[in-house]
Amino acid sequence: GQQVMQIPQYQHVQEGEDFTTYCNSSTTLSNIQWYKQRPGGHPVFLIQLVKSGEVKKQKRLTFQFGEAKKNSSLHITATQTTDVGTYFCAGRVSGYSTLTFGKGTMLLVSP
Amino acid sequence: NAGVTQTPKFQVLKTGQSMTLQCAQDMNHNSMYWYRQDPGMGLRLIYYSASEGTTDKGEVPNGYNVSRLNKREFSLRLESAAPSQTSVYFCASNPPQGTYEQYFGPGTRLTVT
Repeated sequence: GQQVMQIPQYQHVQEGEDFTTYCNSSTTLSNIQWYKQRPGGHPVFLIQLVKSGEVKKQKRLTFQFGEAKKNSSLHITATQTTDVGTYFCAGRVSGYSTLTFGKGTMLLVSP
Repeated sequence: NAGVTQTPKFQVLKTGQSMTLQCAQDMNHNSMYWYRQDPGMGLRLIYYSASEGTTDKGEVPNGYNVSRLNKREFSLRLESAAPSQTSVYFCASNPPQGTYEQYFGPGTRLTVT
């Protein structure tokens, strides 16, 4: 079955440092979504990427979708303590109505 | 709008007991999902319902049953709970068009002893 690998599993940064999490799929995706889950909370949708090579920005967050539509990344510039949480990618294969989630990257930011 | 609601928030069961987790959404979404989340394992799909009257197995359906009671409600039943079913359970739904982003409920923390 489809697999979505996400690295790293965990990252601890100092406030102000940058952070990147990477997502790789075993199959070509029709689109990829990113979610954030705060400690003790539920996943919240951040963004969806659809086009090959697409880049989208949300303030300090930059999302990329690879040319082959099999990988994606989320980059946070100058992290803040409010960025703490686990970031999940979730891929959808054409013709399927379900998402396959990566295992997530837990981000800890120290002030 | 309340979004996606789940009950109960917490539950402790003994091995072999049964229970039903309730989920409801008030956003008129067609598709609804049940996930379980275990440490280091991400979100794994248990069952989903693409529309009222249909249900399908996900990645980890064994030990669970579901009912799509109507468009709003999608319940998850554990017939004979096992310690391996200790987890956090999330219900989600998504709209029939647009980005198909999933809206998650607050979760149910289940412990089976």
